[in-house]
Amino acid sequence: QSALTQPASVSGSPGQSITISCTGTSSDVGGYNYVSWYQQQPGKAPKLMMYEVTNRPSGVSNRFSGSKSGNTASLTISGLQAEDEADYYCSSYTTSSTPKGVFGGGTKLTVL
Amino acid sequence: QVQLQESGPGLVKPSETLSLTCAVSGGSVSSGTYYWSWIRQPPGKGLEWIGYIYYSGSTNYNPSLRSRVTISLDTSKNHFSLRLSSVTAADTAVYYCARDFGWVAFDIWGQGTMVTVSS
Repeated sequence: QSALTQPASVSGSPGQSITISCTGTSSDVGGYNYVSWYQQQPGKAPKLMMYEVTNRPSGVSNRFSGSKSGNTASLTISGLQAEDEADYYCSSYTTSSTPKGVFGGGTKLTVL
Repeated sequence: QVQLQESGPGLVKPSETLSLTCAVSGGSVSSGTYYWSWIRQPPGKGLEWIGYIYYSGSTNYNPSLRSRVTISLDTSKNHFSLRLSSVTAADTAVYYCARDFGWVAFDIWGQGTMVTVSS
């Protein structure tokens, strides 16, 4: 089972905007609007930040936004804050063999 | 609000079976809206989807683990369970239970439990 492809790391200064990409195939990211994003702080369980590409769960800051183009989904964080420093994972529904879920390899966000 | 809590042995011997339970509070595993899922994370690595069980009892597993995984539901105790047989050191990970409200979107997670496979 191949994971979705994410950059290993991204960085930005406070106040800036950054984008994390998540690349899959037409069997997952490109074929369905079922991409989710998670934030994981060290030693903690992941937290859902975005679902169905563009939907923010209640309580998640509107500084977080999602989008998709072709086989690549993206999470954008605007007005970067120190508290945003964390690992971020994407996930997608996939039908590459049998219906199942797949995660990206994760991206470490560093706030400079 | 709904909370999930994993429990089970923190140490399992190679070739034996890993067994974990996820207790659900504040909600019911019999709800037809959710898929009750297991996800794991090896130390220093990314997340891996293991599988889910629906309230009806239907299951879906990661193909790479399918031959060794069983997820079951106990509605009387309001919990669901994971069994992973023939474990090796590669199965050492933090195991999370989570609620999927649809199409691989996990909105509630347990705190996670570390399982080490070692003799």
